[in-house]
Amino acid sequence: SYELTQPPSVSVSPGQTARITCSGDALPKKYAYWYQQKPGQAPVLVIYKDAERPSGIPERFSGSSSGTTVTLTISGVQAEDEAAYYCQSADTADTWVFGGGTKLTVL
Amino acid sequence: EVQLVESGGGLVHPGGSLRLACAASGLTFTNYWMSWVRQAPGKGLEWVANIKKDGSDKYYVDSVKGRFTISRDNAKNSLYLQMSSLRAEDTAVYYCARIATDGWWYFDLWGRGTLVTVSS
Repeated sequence: SYELTQPPSVSVSPGQTARITCSGDALPKKYAYWYQQKPGQAPVLVIYKDAERPSGIPERFSGSSSGTTVTLTISGVQAEDEAAYYCQSADTADTWVFGGGTKLTVL
Repeated sequence: EVQLVESGGGLVHPGGSLRLACAASGLTFTNYWMSWVRQAPGKGLEWVANIKKDGSDKYYVDSVKGRFTISRDNAKNSLYLQMSSLRAEDTAVYYCARIATDGWWYFDLWGRGTLVTVSS
């Protein structure tokens, strides 16, 4: 199996850009996905296949990939974006991996 | 409205059993692989099990193999997780999740979860 590594926390002021990274040796060969989880709520998919945005997700959410690192970027951060963010990857039905999660704090 | 609603969580003693259920509505249940994902208190997400659209293939994380069984009843639009020989480390919120249909492995819909507490 493999691991995905995220920073435990990221802090930004409202209106600034937040960048949350996810690193893993297998990422150059696999897509990554991002989920947002607010306290007491279920996760919500915000980015799929590295950089695709599901319908209903604000345009300020974007994703990118470079080598062994994928990045979730939130432009013009709003207070409502404060949440935990998890990256995830999988290439077969039984090789699911989540990153440890990053707590985004909006100052 | 498309939704997944879990039920069946509760307090159980170590070594005990519990059956979780997930009711799907607003979607064609037979079109989707389904999963259970759990989250221990204050921790991250952990995939637990998957089941194929027709129930013919099932996959589990190593830590629950031989103790948990995933199943589905397509006539009832329902997903289940039978848990036995429960341990303290199985304490978590258990989420029912739908796997996307575009050929890639990710979750595009989650339920709100049900809490399982294993304690004496």
